[in-house]
Amino acid sequence: NAGVTQTPKFQVLKTGQSMTLQCAQDMNHEYMSWYRQDPGMGLRLIHYSVGAGITDQGEVPNGYNVSRSTTEDFPLRLLSAAPSQTSVYFCATQKTGTYEQYFGPGTRLTVT
Amino acid sequence: RKEVEQDPGPFNVPEGATVAFNCTYSNSASQSFFWYRQDCRKEPKLLMSVYSSGNEDGRFTAQLNRASQYISLLIRDSKLSDSATYLCVVNGRNTGKLIFGQGTTLQVKP
Repeated sequence: NAGVTQTPKFQVLKTGQSMTLQCAQDMNHEYMSWYRQDPGMGLRLIHYSVGAGITDQGEVPNGYNVSRSTTEDFPLRLLSAAPSQTSVYFCATQKTGTYEQYFGPGTRLTVT
Repeated sequence: RKEVEQDPGPFNVPEGATVAFNCTYSNSASQSFFWYRQDCRKEPKLLMSVYSSGNEDGRFTAQLNRASQYISLLIRDSKLSDSATYLCVVNGRNTGKLIFGQGTTLQVKP
């Protein structure tokens, strides 16, 4: 089992560009989420999904969109990249019936 | 006040030492508590859940103090491989979402 995979590992964007960060899981977990991690800030929740077809906003949703058409995939879209979105992005799944979360390896994004 | 607060450290200890980290949380209704470990430039990984009665996993012991609203992690006989950042995680106010502390960095020296 691959667990949680994320692509790309690294990305550099110019201000105003858009892109999609991919996240896939093979653990059949219903709950998936996206976090960003910045120095001194801890992980902050961007968006989450409790199952296919259902998404909701987290703590810092502005500038990001998500969709969940399948249990396996949960892409994160940056609509118009800004330097403030330079960060490390982690996708996570949550074991059903618990709060235990399992993270992908992350995407390091730089916006210039 | 942050919902979950940790001393960022770094804690520098020699191999074989015992070290303890505390973490305070603000939501008295929180029910689920965890410690995650994060190595440099890697993803967080679940280290252990924290139960009301306290729990132990090898050299690691986690305790919960509901009255004072803090959890602790004790590492005995520190190894070089224990060097990492330890994240305190609590389910959040009203939403049940997980709230992550900013982490405590541990450096174990030879």
